[in-house]
Amino acid sequence: EDKVVQSPLSLVVHEGDTVTLNCSYEVTNFRSLLWYKQEKKAPTFLFMLTSSGIEKKSGRLSSILDKKELFSILNITATQTGDSAIYLCAPHASQGAQKLVFGQGTRLTINP
Amino acid sequence: DAGVTQSPTHLIKTRGQQVTLRCSPKSGHDTVSWYQQALGQGPQFIFQYYEEEERQRGNFPDRFSGHQFPNYSSELNVNALLLGDSALYLCASSLKPGQGRYEQYFGPGTRLTVT
Repeated sequence: EDKVVQSPLSLVVHEGDTVTLNCSYEVTNFRSLLWYKQEKKAPTFLFMLTSSGIEKKSGRLSSILDKKELFSILNITATQTGDSAIYLCAPHASQGAQKLVFGQGTRLTINP
Repeated sequence: DAGVTQSPTHLIKTRGQQVTLRCSPKSGHDTVSWYQQALGQGPQFIFQYYEEEERQRGNFPDRFSGHQFPNYSSELNVNALLLGDSALYLCASSLKPGQGRYEQYFGPGTRLTVT
């Protein structure tokens, strides 16, 4: 059965701190891994990683995918209160369709 | 460029009733996936539609059914509602498999409460 585990489940830091969010996965027919940010309702797409390596977005967010060890890390540097959200990791499993398998998410709170 | 839209925003139903949720995909997308997100959990895949057919289904009972129309919009139907069906129902749009891009873009969701 497909499985995604995110850690920590909850994290509280001060503005300006750097955070690292973890995601380990076991899915069949793995194609890529996506990260989303969920503030109110709709998860907002952040990254898609298809190869082991690093991808950056907005300068403060970066992510690593390790397809051999089956994990991904999302880093946020110089955190801001607007980064407070739930961060969801979702490996994409393809079996004729495109199914995202979500973890429970990490609830990140940035205090001023 | 219109994003993914869903209706209604909120819905309150009684156990045993039936409900229909609607979704219009992002402009240029032809594939719709439905997810159920219970409180404190990540979204769970219900099913995906493209070319007006259900392509893959998650671990949901037959009470959950769907449809895709020629204009790519989609409906999710849930029959014989249970209290446990209370959740945020998310629709995501994407390009169909084989197009080389796997990102799914989510709509704002429909909050369903079953009493």
